[in-house]
Amino acid sequence: LAKTTQPISMDSYEGQEVNITCSHNNIATNDYITWYQQFPSQGPRFIIQGYKTKVTNEVASLFIPADRKSSTLSLPRVSLSDTAVYYCLVGEFNQAGTALIFGKGTTLSVSS
Amino acid sequence: EPEVTQTPSHQVTQMGQEVILRCVPISNHLYFYWYRQILGQKVEFLVSFYNNEISEKSEIFDDQFSVERPDGSNFTLKIRSTKLEDSAMYFCASRDTGTSGVNEQFFGPGTRLTVL
Repeated sequence: LAKTTQPISMDSYEGQEVNITCSHNNIATNDYITWYQQFPSQGPRFIIQGYKTKVTNEVASLFIPADRKSSTLSLPRVSLSDTAVYYCLVGEFNQAGTALIFGKGTTLSVSS
Repeated sequence: EPEVTQTPSHQVTQMGQEVILRCVPISNHLYFYWYRQILGQKVEFLVSFYNNEISEKSEIFDDQFSVERPDGSNFTLKIRSTKLEDSAMYFCASRDTGTSGVNEQFFGPGTRLTVL
C-alpha cells in the first residue's frame, strides 16, 4: 500500500477556501486516491475519489497532478461544520471489497 | 437516505466476557466491514466480508474475533473473551457491488465498547 503523508492539523476561518495536500510518492498504477471526513464520535464519511486530473462534486474538489505523487483536497468556503479530521487514502479502490487503511489524517479547525 | 445502523451504541463488559456487536448494513450492499478506533488513535481495519465469507482480515483480527451474517440483514462481530485493550469504538461499514469503481464505504455510527 502506498504510504501517505498529510499535515497533522490546519486552521482556517469561515468562508475561506481550504486546501489539504497529501503526498503519496509510491502510488501504484492501479491505485486510486480517496478522501474521507470524520466528525468526533462518528464514523468516517466518503468525500471524493479520483485517479488523475481533477474531480469535483457538490462537497469538494480533488486535484491530482500528472505524476500522481500528491493530491490536494479543496474545500470551498468552509463553515464551522467543516471542522473534522480529513483522511487521504490510496489503494485499488476500483476493486470491490478493498479495505480502507487510514492514517492519522489532518485535523481541520474552522473558526468564526 | 439509507444508512448503516449499529447496536448497542455503548456496551460495557467485564474482561473475559463475550460480546456481540450488531450492525444492519444498507439493504442492497454486498460488502461488509468492521473497523475499530481506540480513543485518540486512527481508524483500524479489522475484517471484510463478502458472499458469506471473510475476504480479508488484519492482524488485529485474531482467533478471539469472529464475524457472521446470521440472516439477510444483520452483520455481527463477536469478541470471544474481551481484554482491556479491546476498549474502542467499533464501526461497521458496507458498500455496494462496486460496479461504479468508487470505493464509497458507508459507515455506521459506531458502538463504544468499554472493557472493565
